[in-house]
Amino acid sequence: RKEVEQDPGPFNVPEGATVAFNCTYSNSASQSFFWYRQDCRKEPKLLMSVYSSGNEDGRFTAQLNRASQYISLLIRDSKLSDSATYLCVVNEAGGFKTIFGAGTRLFVKA
Amino acid sequence: GAGVSQSPSNKVTEKGKDVELRCDPISGHTALYWYRQRLGQGLEFLIYFQGNSAPDKSGLPSDRFSAERTGESVSTLTIQRTQQEDSAVYLCASSVRTSGYHEQYFGPGTRLTVT
Repeated sequence: RKEVEQDPGPFNVPEGATVAFNCTYSNSASQSFFWYRQDCRKEPKLLMSVYSSGNEDGRFTAQLNRASQYISLLIRDSKLSDSATYLCVVNEAGGFKTIFGAGTRLFVKA
Repeated sequence: GAGVSQSPSNKVTEKGKDVELRCDPISGHTALYWYRQRLGQGLEFLIYFQGNSAPDKSGLPSDRFSAERTGESVSTLTIQRTQQEDSAVYLCASSVRTSGYHEQYFGPGTRLTVT
């Protein structure tokens, strides 16, 4: 079993749609969690950290379920510019060892 | 402020040659990471440095790969006797603890092509 698993997609959605990505992790001792986005042939960029109580940043909402060991990202009112690969990232206990999921590709179409 | 920088941005080398890749982290960031990303694949952890602690080398794929870091500044990743399967983008990231979270900031990467 992979340490961090994501649905590879691709997800093809129209502008304005709501789309949700899920990610599962295997190490129950993992301590911190993030979503990054990566545009084609670019470096990953931090989208948001995921806090235990869940958190929202504009159109983006992240949730953490420690009991089930999964993280989710919800994007509301999708824009063309949201088209990218979304990477789920998990830091192990102690905070520095980092595992990236393989990413979920999103295409938002007009 | 200045972000993470990497050099060279592109490197083409012949099979069997050694290459050295450089990373300049964000000033004040205590942790530095190297990753490899093959075309169409996810990020593969290679090594990380945290302050003066011994680096975690668990991701290095073979003894042809090595990395060094001077204090909390520049790092170099060296690949000896390059092979075609080493062709990839090599990404460097740095981080600083923020309220218990270690958010990583990436450089633009070095695209290595081994011919």
